Amino acid sequence: DGGITQSPKYLFRKEGQNVTLSCEQNLNHDAMYWYRQDPGQGLRLIYYSQIVNDFQKGDIAEGYSVSREKKESFPLTVTSAQKNPTAFYLCASSSSGTMNPEQFFGPGTRLTVL
Amino acid sequence: LAKTTQPISMDSYEGQEVNITCSHNNIATNDYITWYQQFPSQGPRFIIQGYKTKVTNEVASLFIPADRKSSTLSLPRVSLSDTAVYYCLVGDPISGNTGKLIFGQGTTLQVKP
Repeated sequence: DGGITQSPKYLFRKEGQNVTLSCEQNLNHDAMYWYRQDPGQGLRLIYYSQIVNDFQKGDIAEGYSVSREKKESFPLTVTSAQKNPTAFYLCASSSSGTMNPEQFFGPGTRLTVL
Repeated sequence: LAKTTQPISMDSYEGQEVNITCSHNNIATNDYITWYQQFPSQGPRFIIQGYKTKVTNEVASLFIPADRKSSTLSLPRVSLSDTAVYYCLVGDPISGNTGKLIFGQGTTLQVKP
């Protein structure tokens, strides 16, 4: 089955620790995205990547880092610099070459800071 | 950046048609209008996308007037399983062809039996 997987589904972190969220897709999509969602709110863009070895900051990149070494993978690291990291994190991917392509979302990772 | 405005919440009953209107006064010439559906603790799911006039698929219809400053998502004969948050998005193309989508708060649709 083609799709996007995120792991883990639930993640607990102590304050001051870095943690990495996994995102993998087998849709052969060039573009990948990371969003953050807080309770009752919409999604906010953290980082996005249009091609391997290239990525850009979204609206709330502070305290986060990413890498895009492979087309299939776009891991997100939540660093200790992120002051309020407890949230629902969603990864998405889309094809390139058309304007405003459909984004396919993973099931999400719920991060809780203890 | 194009911004959208939609009602925070709506209620409906099973079997009714639901229309959710979204305003996007600053839509750019090349922007498309896209609607997503999100259930609790899941990622959003694409419903429909259009540029002008009317688009219909097996799930919904999208009506876009000539000035493109608003759009209406129409869900025919809703069921309890259509209870979800619905997001209206206007594409914000960045350099290259990949769209950067701006998600607002969305409209929480509650379908009652």
